[in-house]
Amino acid sequence: EAGVTQFPSHSVIEKGQTVTLRCDPISGHDNLYWYRRVMGKEIKFLLHFVKESKQDESGMPNNRFLAERTGGTYSTLKVQPAELEDSGVYFCASSSRAFVYEQYFGPGTRLTVT
Amino acid sequence: GIQVEQSPPDLILQEGANSTLRCNFSDSVNNLQWFHQNPWGQLINLFYIPSGTKQNGRLSATTVATERYSLLYISSSQTTDSGVYFCAVEGFSGGYNKLIFGAGTRLAVHP
Repeated sequence: EAGVTQFPSHSVIEKGQTVTLRCDPISGHDNLYWYRRVMGKEIKFLLHFVKESKQDESGMPNNRFLAERTGGTYSTLKVQPAELEDSGVYFCASSSRAFVYEQYFGPGTRLTVT
Repeated sequence: GIQVEQSPPDLILQEGANSTLRCNFSDSVNNLQWFHQNPWGQLINLFYIPSGTKQNGRLSATTVATERYSLLYISSSQTTDSGVYFCAVEGFSGGYNKLIFGAGTRLAVHP
């Protein structure tokens, strides 16, 4: 069974540009989560999808971030326009049930904004 | 909200040495996990340990929930143990339960 996959693995963009990150959860997992780790600090929760619905988006930093999960399968996280402080590693996780301790994490996308 | 603090922030070991990583949390929790982020970026769940002690090979973890800390022990360290170790607790924030991570301990094991 394939794990959580994320694309791209690394993205370098200039300030003001747009970037879209993609996450493919484990097949059959209704719950999908986005996290990010900025500047070597703690990993912070961004949002939680249940199927195609946003269950909890309390961690989204501002309206430059837009997450979607059309059809309840893969998810995208768009940053527009990107700022320097958006640099970091963006993790995606999925779970079959909405238990936080059952999440499987992807390898992350390293975003560098210059 | 719950605060999670990990120590030390950085640790350098010679292969074969033992180490202890610590995680302190500021409030009662229902769930605590230890993760290892390997050099390829993958986050691997090591232990789900809200209380008590668990062992898996050279790794073991102990959580003393009443005193709000957890310890991760690595014995006979190997170069493959290098990476970042994160502690995460389940906390209630923004109306929902979610994982709250510490800043991690970066471990480098040298041959």
